[in-house]
This record gives sequence, C-alpha cells and structure tokens, in this order.
Amino acid sequence: DTEVTQTPKHLVMGMTNKKSLKCEQHMGHRAMYWYKQKAKKPPELMFVYSYEKLSINESVPSRFSPECPNSSLLNLHLHALQPEDSALYLCASARLAVREKLFFGSGTQLSVL
Amino acid sequence: GENVEQHPSTLSVQEGDSAVIKCTYSDSASNYFPWYKQELGKGPQLIIDIRSNVGEKKDQRIAVTLNKTAKHFSLHITETQPEDSAVYFCAARKDSSYKLIFGSGTRLLVRP
Repeated sequence: DTEVTQTPKHLVMGMTNKKSLKCEQHMGHRAMYWYKQKAKKPPELMFVYSYEKLSINESVPSRFSPECPNSSLLNLHLHALQPEDSALYLCASARLAVREKLFFGSGTQLSVL
Repeated sequence: GENVEQHPSTLSVQEGDSAVIKCTYSDSASNYFPWYKQELGKGPQLIIDIRSNVGEKKDQRIAVTLNKTAKHFSLHITETQPEDSAVYFCAARKDSSYKLIFGSGTRLLVRP
C-alpha cells in the first residue's frame, strides 16, 4: 500500500460551518503534512507532524486546527472559514520529516460560500 | 531563504518530441531536488528525484540533470505521449529542513 488517502474529495461549506478533512496512510510513515494549493499555484506548506507531534505551523490562522490522533491518521478541523480559504487541501506523508521522499494524496477540493 | 524559479510556464510539444523544463535554485545548501507531476483533479505525484551527489538520473523516458555549480536542474522527457500532459513542479530542499520549496510549475501539453 503506497497511498495517501484523503476524504472527502469535495467539500462545500458555509462560513459558519465546522467541518473536518481526513487523511490516512498505512506506509508506516512518521511524518505527515498539510498543504494548501490555490489554482495554478504550487502547494504551500501549512503544518508538519513528526511522530504525531506538531513540528511546524507556517503561521496558519487558528480557524485551521490540525490533529494527529495516531501515526496513520491526520485531520484538519475547519471553523469559520472565509471564501478566500477555498482551495485544494493536500495531505502528504514521508518516512521521516527530513531527508525523505514526500508522497501526496489526491486532495480535498474545498469551496467556502 | 531558498527561492526556486521554473521555466517555461507553459510548453506545447508534438507527440514523440522531447520536452525540457528548467529550474534554478538560490540556496547552495539545498541538496535534494524532486520533480512532481500533477494531473487535473489529482495531487502531485513524485516522478523522479536527485540528490546533489549525483549529476544525472534516468528512469525510462524521464531524466533529471543537476549542475551544482550553476544551481540549475532540469527535467527531460523523451518520446512524449498525450498522457504526459500535466503540470510539472520542481522543488528543492536542504537535508536539515522539513520544507520543500516549489517552483511555480510548468503546464505541459502534448499534442497528438
């Protein structure tokens, strides 16, 4: 199994809603990442978890709240988002946080109305 | 900090021709250079990577070359096929860093 699986594939939410994005990998990777990608732009790093601990927060607004319940799962909790937060949210994993290849999931396309 | 420039932004080739995408990085401490292919509606897929102790790496129709002195690296696709049409991103990273620095992307169109 070499996949990073993200659910849901598409999500539409209002600015007052609370929703969560889910990411799962069974490759034994100990580093997991959230990226945000706007149309026609490269991915931008949001958060890095290493051994289930938050290692990097790239100054992301608090309306995005990551959670790593175990070494296989990564969640991104969303609350009070703005329309400009509409984007493709990508999860990625690597065997370790440094010096290793990064593998991406297919992403969740988020629309905030 | 590191900056990665990627050219061209769009590239159109005839099926069977070769395609070359070039990237330049700024931080001489960067030593890992992956290339990702992103098809519409999908996440980036790692297609090839190279470390700074190697000048060239090949995998079937794709190859990457690295010139450390000039801080350039390039992706070469030979015998292009319509299914090679996608957006390609180069990236650079230091061993000590969590963070991949991406280029701005190249949209490749292979015309049948």
